[in-house]
Amino acid sequence: AQTVTQSQPEMSVQEAETVTLSCTYDTSESDYYLFWYKQPPSRQMILVIRQEAYKQQNATENRFSVNFQKAAKSFSLKISDSQLGDAAMYFCAANAGGTSYGKLTFGQGTILTVHP
Amino acid sequence: GAVVSQHPSWVICKSGTSVKIECRSLDFQATTMFWYRQFPKQSLMLMATSNEGSKATYEQGVEKDKFLINHASLTLSTLTVTSAHPEDSSFYICSAQKRSRGYEQYFGPGTRLTVT
Repeated sequence: AQTVTQSQPEMSVQEAETVTLSCTYDTSESDYYLFWYKQPPSRQMILVIRQEAYKQQNATENRFSVNFQKAAKSFSLKISDSQLGDAAMYFCAANAGGTSYGKLTFGQGTILTVHP
Repeated sequence: GAVVSQHPSWVICKSGTSVKIECRSLDFQATTMFWYRQFPKQSLMLMATSNEGSKATYEQGVEKDKFLINHASLTLSTLTVTSAHPEDSSFYICSAQKRSRGYEQYFGPGTRLTVT
């Protein structure tokens, strides 16, 4: 079984500033994938960034980057130059192999507020 | 692209009736589709995994006789909520996996079900 934990129910940031959302996970699989999804008020789930566990290099997508600490099972999301459109609920998720192959396990979510 | 549609986006039904929600992958073939349920400001809860041509696999605690899932083709899965009750009111989201990228899920826009 795999678990994903987001310990920050809510976070806020000033426009143009940087914010980091935390996520820890646990899995017994050696091959797995980690994701950050964004869910704006429309409730459409949008993939923000993905990380393959076997890759040591941290993934980046424009203003979004991750800090992947495999030994610590930590996978935080950094949003730089925050914009009003970044306001949403953010979910960390893991997809491991084995009998759970293909299934996503989500964290509890973090509501991000961006102040102008 | 990887577009997933859901229909309807919002449905109101009377208690005791059944309602069907469709999930389609529009521009790719989906080996597997997933159905989630989400309450306001909460995480996504996986209900079942659906593979084309085979029976759905339900998560523990999900009533398979109440939530009927049919995966008729590589592009279509349906969720039927039978004998709906007000406690079934929720937001239902489907996702689909591409045949070639089994670790990534593409989400539909969701369906809001209200049972009166």
